[in-house]
Amino acid sequence: QKEVEQNSGPLSVPEGAIASLNCTYSDRVSQSFFWYRQYSGKSPELIMSIYSNGDKEDGRFTAQLNKASQYVSLLIRDSQPSDSATYLCAVNFNKFYFGSGTKLNVKP
Amino acid sequence: KAGVTQTPRYLIKTRGQQVTLSCSPISGHRSVSWYQQTPGQGLQFLFEYFSETQRNKGNFPGRFSGRQFSNSRSEMNVSTLELGDSALYLCASSLDRVDIQYFGAGTRLSVL
Repeated sequence: QKEVEQNSGPLSVPEGAIASLNCTYSDRVSQSFFWYRQYSGKSPELIMSIYSNGDKEDGRFTAQLNKASQYVSLLIRDSQPSDSATYLCAVNFNKFYFGSGTKLNVKP
Repeated sequence: KAGVTQTPRYLIKTRGQQVTLSCSPISGHRSVSWYQQTPGQGLQFLFEYFSETQRNKGNFPGRFSGRQFSNSRSEMNVSTLELGDSALYLCASSLDRVDIQYFGAGTRLSVL
């Protein structure tokens, strides 16, 4: 079993809709969780970090963490074509583990 | 504050050659990790260095090696290059081992 699992997509949403990206992880002792965005041909850039159960909002982005169910999600409100990218979930339990990423397409 | 700097940005090598990639972390960051990314693939972890010591190693052959210097700068070396080594090599630095990782722009290696 992989440490971090994501649906590879592609996930297609219309412009203005909410995009919901999900990630599950295998280790219960994980303390740090991250979402990165990677545009084609570019390096990953950090969008959000979350450390405790619940929601964390930053602009149009909301990260949700549920440690009991071992999942972390990212909601993107009012999706824009510029949000089209691959979103990587990362979990740190003494080492960074990245999921394989979910490709998001936002259609105008 | 300068970000993570990777040099060179692009490299073209032939099979059998060796290559050295360099990574300068963000000032004050002590942890450096290396990843390989091929088209359509996720980030494949190569190794992590902290305080000049390799702390973790991914599942790559011994042709892949690395080191970290006292100023936290890191290099990775690939010997006896194979066509399958063509990839984007990413370096990420963090303040500490459990902290947020920040990525450099990467080195794109093409092996002909």
